[in-house]
Order: sequence, then C-alpha cells, then structure tokens
Amino acid sequence: GAVVSQHPSRVICKSGTSVKIECRSLDFQATTMFWYRQFPKQSLMLMATSNEGSKATYEQGVEKDKFLINHASLTLSTLTVTSAHPEDSSFYICSAGVTSGVDYEQYFGPGTRLTVT
Amino acid sequence: QKEVEQNSGPLSVPEGAIASLNCTYSDRGSQSFFWYRQYSGKSPELIMSIYSNGDKEDGRFTAQLNKASQYVSLLIRDSQPSDSATYLCAVAGKSTFGDGTTLTVKP
Repeated sequence: GAVVSQHPSRVICKSGTSVKIECRSLDFQATTMFWYRQFPKQSLMLMATSNEGSKATYEQGVEKDKFLINHASLTLSTLTVTSAHPEDSSFYICSAGVTSGVDYEQYFGPGTRLTVT
Repeated sequence: QKEVEQNSGPLSVPEGAIASLNCTYSDRGSQSFFWYRQYSGKSPELIMSIYSNGDKEDGRFTAQLNKASQYVSLLIRDSQPSDSATYLCAVAGKSTFGDGTTLTVKP
C-alpha cells in the first residue's frame, strides 16, 4: 500500500506556542489530504479536508484560525496548531486519498501525539 | 443519522474462532467501503476494501457487501490474539468513520 509520513511523531510544547505538523505522501500524489484528531478511547474526528492549491474545508466546530492547514503540493500538507492550550493535547493523524481509475483509497500517516503543558 | 454505524462492542472471541464485525451506512449511493484496523495508540491501517456486492477474501479476512441492505461486514477466520484491535468501517470519499468495534481475541 501507499506510504504516508508524519513529522514529528511526538511533540510537547508550552501553552500559548504554535506547533506545525507535516504530512507527506511518499510514493504517490494525493488527490486530497485529511486531518483527524483522536482523543483517548474515542473515535477519529475529521477536522478538515484539503485539496492542493485550495483552501481547506473545515468541519463544523473546528476553528479555522486556530488550526491552520496549508496544502502546498500534491505530496505535502501541514497543520499548524496556533496558540496551543492543554485541551488541544491529542493524537493528530493525517490521511491522504488517491484515485486510481475507478478506485479510491485513503491511507493514514502514523500520527503525531501533541502534549501541551 | 450518522453516515456509518458499527455494531456496538466490545467483541470478545476465543482464539481460533470467527470474529464478525458489522457496519451499516446511510447513503445508498455509496460505492466503495473500507475496513481499517487500529491498535491502541497507533493510527489506522487499511486492511480491506470492497466495491462490489458479495464477498472479497484476503487471507483470513473476508469483507462482505450488500448494497441493497446497505451493510458491509468483515469476517476474521482463525482469530489470533494479534487481531485484538479496534476495527473501523469507512465509506470511500466520505472521510468519516464509524465509532469502531473493539475486538479482543482471548488465547
């Protein structure tokens, strides 16, 4: 299957600082990239969807000014958590979608565990 | 109504048994479906995709799709302790997932 990488895998930051998370599709060009958040023992929650070169579409309740998404190329998307607070501590996972003929598949990065102190 | 609903868990089966995981979806126009496995503390891993009505087999895993009834299931034969994880059902293109069913395979 296709490979998606995320960096960093784990980050600890102080309250009020900003954190950038990178998501890369390594061996394919992603049609679309997705950002999810997952709290312990809860399901994945879709935060936003982005297509290369266009603005991200945020899910209801997700603050676009707090969670900045940049989709610079077909292989790179970044999520910046601005002015992070302890309640932003979570597991952030990106996913890349690719269409091959009539098939569409979605692959996940390994995730970034953010802890805000 | 949620786009994807999974049977409530947790599900516990003995080693060697068949584990059956079920999922229903609300959009009758949905075409493709995925099953993901997520180990605790890890991100989801794609294990099966299915596009056509009927069964699709891959090793010990069989995905079943019934578009008329709008359900998709995953059967795991000869369940192993290493299969213990949360299994997520997803509709392609929707990017939203069911809440997942946690499977425990007891040795």
